[in-house]
Amino acid sequence: SSELTQDPAVSVALGQTVRITCQGDSLRSYYASWYQQKPGQAPVLVIYGKNNRPSGIPDRFSGSSSGNTASLTITGAQAEDEADYYCNSRDSSGNHHYVFGTGTKVTVL
Amino acid sequence: EVQLVESGGGLVKPGGSLRLSCAASGFTFSSYSMNWVRQAPGKGLEWVSSISSSSSYIYYADSVKGRFTISRDNAKNSLYLQMNSLRAEDTAVYYCARDRIAAAWGYFDLWGRGTLVTVSS
Repeated sequence: SSELTQDPAVSVALGQTVRITCQGDSLRSYYASWYQQKPGQAPVLVIYGKNNRPSGIPDRFSGSSSGNTASLTITGAQAEDEADYYCNSRDSSGNHHYVFGTGTKVTVL
Repeated sequence: EVQLVESGGGLVKPGGSLRLSCAASGFTFSSYSMNWVRQAPGKGLEWVSSISSSSSYIYYADSVKGRFTISRDNAKNSLYLQMNSLRAEDTAVYYCARDRIAAAWGYFDLWGRGTLVTVSS
């Protein structure tokens, strides 16, 4: 089955820009989606498809993709953006499964 | 309000069984595929199983295949996960999640708050 790899942790100064990446073969076939998870809470969808934000997600969150790599960018990071972020896609092995990335802890300094 | 509410978690001994439920409200449950996703303590997210809107298509992660059974009752707006032969490594928060799938993507747009399953003697 497919795997999605993320950097374990990144930090960003308040108001600055941070990009989180996700690599995996399945991303050559399917768009990634991105989830924000704060401690003790359920994940929340922040980006899906080519670069779509669900209602209520600030426009400082954006997504992009190239080859086997998907990226989530937070432009002008806020204190409330400190969280774990997971990418996700359909598995390209033809097994109709889903796969999640390993997760990235974002710290806002 | 559009929401998913899980229940049925608890402490169970290795080899035991547990049935999780997920109650959906605020949307047409019968129109959506549904999933279970779990998260072990301090670990990442792991997709467990999915079921299509009419139960025609069911899929399982290799880690639970043969032990877990997903089902749904559209008349009751409910999703279930029957977990048998539980192991310590099944200890996790189990989330119910609605998925949206198309040719180029699949994502989870609605999540419940989760229910904790602890497998320990």
